[in-house]
Amino acid sequence: EVQLLESGGGLVQPGGSLRLSCAASVLNFNYYGMSWVRQAPGKGLEWVSSVSGGGGSTYYADSVKGRFTISRDNSKNTLYLEMSSLRADDTAVYYCTKGRFSTGRGAFEVWGQGTMVTVSS
Amino acid sequence: EIVLTQSPATLSLSPGERATLSCWASQSVATSLAWYQQKPGQAPSLLIYDASNRATGIPARFSGSGSGTDFTLTISSLEPEDFAVYYCQQRSNWPLTFGGGTKVEIK
Repeated sequence: EVQLLESGGGLVQPGGSLRLSCAASVLNFNYYGMSWVRQAPGKGLEWVSSVSGGGGSTYYADSVKGRFTISRDNSKNTLYLEMSSLRADDTAVYYCTKGRFSTGRGAFEVWGQGTMVTVSS
Repeated sequence: EIVLTQSPATLSLSPGERATLSCWASQSVATSLAWYQQKPGQAPSLLIYDASNRATGIPARFSGSGSGTDFTLTISSLEPEDFAVYYCQQRSNWPLTFGGGTKVEIK
């Protein structure tokens, strides 16, 4: 069974940094695109970032471009999201998702349970 | 950016009734559209991909249709566990975008 387990969330001050991790129990992890999707409290879903299976292509929402960096370590079956210059409107549950294809543009086939990030002073 | 508009925002129905949820795209996404279900306190889960293909393990009462800009998710006969929020999402163009969601609640 495919499982995604996020970690690294927490309380951070505005302007601070945080790194999220997602450990994936996925066969052939390096084949699949992976993404981060977030959900602010009481709100809908927002795509944040995606990375291709090999890690060579990355994509970002305008709202996080230049502040967040997605990466993956295929030798460790792990996805990361490095977040900096955090703002109050980055407060959300962050979900790690596995795509159906290697490009990162497939539907989000598997979701982790989410990790909460709270940006507040 | 492709904007997805879902209608209605809330659908009040009884178990056993048919649910019809709509999703409109601001420009054509061909059939690159997915539907997700989210229950309170849980992560979303994939129901339908590429407009009409059920994901693994999804019951046959869920069906998707449409192409271009108009899409529909139909639940043929609502079971108690189907009362949830449903989101559509397009993967045709970057940035990937979601609709605002439709809440299916018990009448």
